[in-house]
Amino acid sequence: AQKVTQAQTEISVVEKEDVTLDCVYETRDTTYYLFWYKQPPSGELVFLIRRNSFDEQNEISGRYSWNFQKSTSSFNFTITASQVVDSAVYFCARRDAGNMLTFGGGTRLMVKP
Amino acid sequence: DAGITQSPRHKVTETGTPVTLRCHQTENHRYMYWYRQDPGHGLRLIHYSYGVKDTDKGEVSDGYSVSRSKTEDFLLTLESATSSQTSVYFCAISEQGALETQYFGPGTRLLVL
Repeated sequence: AQKVTQAQTEISVVEKEDVTLDCVYETRDTTYYLFWYKQPPSGELVFLIRRNSFDEQNEISGRYSWNFQKSTSSFNFTITASQVVDSAVYFCARRDAGNMLTFGGGTRLMVKP
Repeated sequence: DAGITQSPRHKVTETGTPVTLRCHQTENHRYMYWYRQDPGHGLRLIHYSYGVKDTDKGEVSDGYSVSRSKTEDFLLTLESATSSQTSVYFCAISEQGALETQYFGPGTRLLVL
């Protein structure tokens, strides 16, 4: 199976620190989509971003930014000036030509005041 | 927020009993999905539907069946619940298939004793 790997299972930072969550994926497809979802302590899954394999431009949305590098099959997520409300489990996922969304195991981010 | 509800939100049942979980959407989206979330595994696809009466298996379909008699409802049945099916179950929807973002329901926490 083509995996999505989030090697960091838990990260702990102090508020206002920058933090990067890593995501490495495997795929044999030329067309695919990558996603990040946030799961706060309340348990719901919140969609954050979608990128397609033809668009390697990095994206910034407020304190969030994403770095997509096809050469290293990575799609990393950076939170700048972290806040306590950023504490959550973050999932990276890949969608290829089929209908299956393959998730990484998740990274639990704890932001301490 | 996407209009997705799941019922029940919490359930405790005994081994060997059948259990049905319901996902209801108000978005008129064509695709619906059932995932399970277990520690260390992220989310894994159980079954999905690409239209009324059209369903297909996902990665972990053994022991589960689904039905979709109306666009808005997607039912997941555990034919004879086992302790290994203790998990959090998420429903998701997408307007189309592979190219679209999936939006998730609030989840159902199932405990099989």
